[in-house]
Amino acid sequence: LAKTTQPISMDSYEGQEVNITCSHNNIATNDYITWYQQFPSQGPRFIIQGYKTKVTNEVASLFIPADRKSSTLSLPRVSLSDTAVYYCLVGDNGIGAGSYQLTFGKGTKLSVIP
Amino acid sequence: NAGVTQTPKFQVLKTGQSMTLQCAQDMNHEYMSWYRQDPGMGLRLIHYSVGAGITDQGEVPNGYNVSRSTTEDFPLRLLSAAPSQTSVYFCASSPRAGSTEAFFGQGTRLTVV
Repeated sequence: LAKTTQPISMDSYEGQEVNITCSHNNIATNDYITWYQQFPSQGPRFIIQGYKTKVTNEVASLFIPADRKSSTLSLPRVSLSDTAVYYCLVGDNGIGAGSYQLTFGKGTKLSVIP
Repeated sequence: NAGVTQTPKFQVLKTGQSMTLQCAQDMNHEYMSWYRQDPGMGLRLIHYSVGAGITDQGEVPNGYNVSRSTTEDFPLRLLSAAPSQTSVYFCASSPRAGSTEAFFGQGTRLTVV
């Protein structure tokens, strides 16, 4: 699995847009980029996945440049309830002969300030 | 549709005791896995299963056993608990092996004294 690098922590005020960038220089052709959110005392929750360009859902947007060596998770107008750890993962989604192991790094701890 | 259910939510064990953490999913998922999460360490894979009757080791398997007799259940057994196994344990399931969309349980907080 491609290794990912993301900031350890970020702070943001309520109502602001937050962008968390993940670096994955060794991403393979078949790899997807997936983001999870983990609230305190809960298991991680899948929030968004993409392969290229832009993906948007009701929770977030995911921006992936043409070279796919990085990706940016964008959370619009954050609230206190968005305080969580956000993990970036890269994997082939079971399409190829990649590893069966989802590798969660330490994630980015987002703190939303009133 | 309950998703992934873990029991118990909390457990305190004495060193040397054994116990089984239960995990069940009702989504007919092929792939199931166990992680432990320690402060500052992220999630580390303990064991995983790609289907009933098939299990394999992850990154930190020592001190743990698993079995997968049915698609729905994937229990994690601690053979002889040690303080180093104090952690939060998460079970997860995915539609297929290698899927990057996983569904997690609420976790079991285990303390070994």
